[in-house]
Amino acid sequence: DVKVTQSSRYLVKRTGEKVFLECVQDMDHENMFWYRQDPGLGLRLIYFSYDVKMKEKGDIPEGYSVSREKKERFSLILESASTNQTSMYLCASKPTGGGEKLFFGSGTQLSVL
Amino acid sequence: RKEVEQDPGPFNVPEGATVAFNCTYSNSASQSFFWYRQDCRKEPKLLMSVYSSGNEDGRFTAQLNRASQYISLLIRDSKLSDSATYLCAPGGSGGGADGLTFGKGTHLIIQP
Repeated sequence: DVKVTQSSRYLVKRTGEKVFLECVQDMDHENMFWYRQDPGLGLRLIYFSYDVKMKEKGDIPEGYSVSREKKERFSLILESASTNQTSMYLCASKPTGGGEKLFFGSGTQLSVL
Repeated sequence: RKEVEQDPGPFNVPEGATVAFNCTYSNSASQSFFWYRQDCRKEPKLLMSVYSSGNEDGRFTAQLNRASQYISLLIRDSKLSDSATYLCAPGGSGGGADGLTFGKGTHLIIQP
């Protein structure tokens, strides 16, 4: 069965901290994505990657960076966390040529105090 | 025009009733369409995929109207367990690597 794992379900950080959100998939998918979801704003794409070491900006990349050193792992980095980055973060993956449906991880609820 | 629009609801529907809601999209080149279901504080899970005019799976029917650029989801004989938020996501034009753009979702509450 398809598995996308996010390392933390809940995370509390302080303003200014560097935050790493980790995502691992075991399906050998080429494409991985980071979304954030906020009430009233829906799901918004932050960054995505279509191959190892490749990354593309999504709709709201400001304040974030990503790392894809291995095919199965896609990390989202908040260089200096701010309170407006408090959100639910969802990782997703999909194979190339396998259609466009996404497989999501269970999410990380990040609170920045 | 917003890329993907959904009525946020909530739709309050008695158990056993039929409910339908729409999703309008702006990208006329979209070839595939998806309905995801999201329970409170959980991740979205794929409910249905639509690649042609429509799709049916048990009590759920998705229909595509390309001329008017909307996709609908119909739920028959609704159950309490159908209570969730339903997200619409039109695909791109070629199955590329970029992610899906989601609507903000329609909140459905099935009442006993």
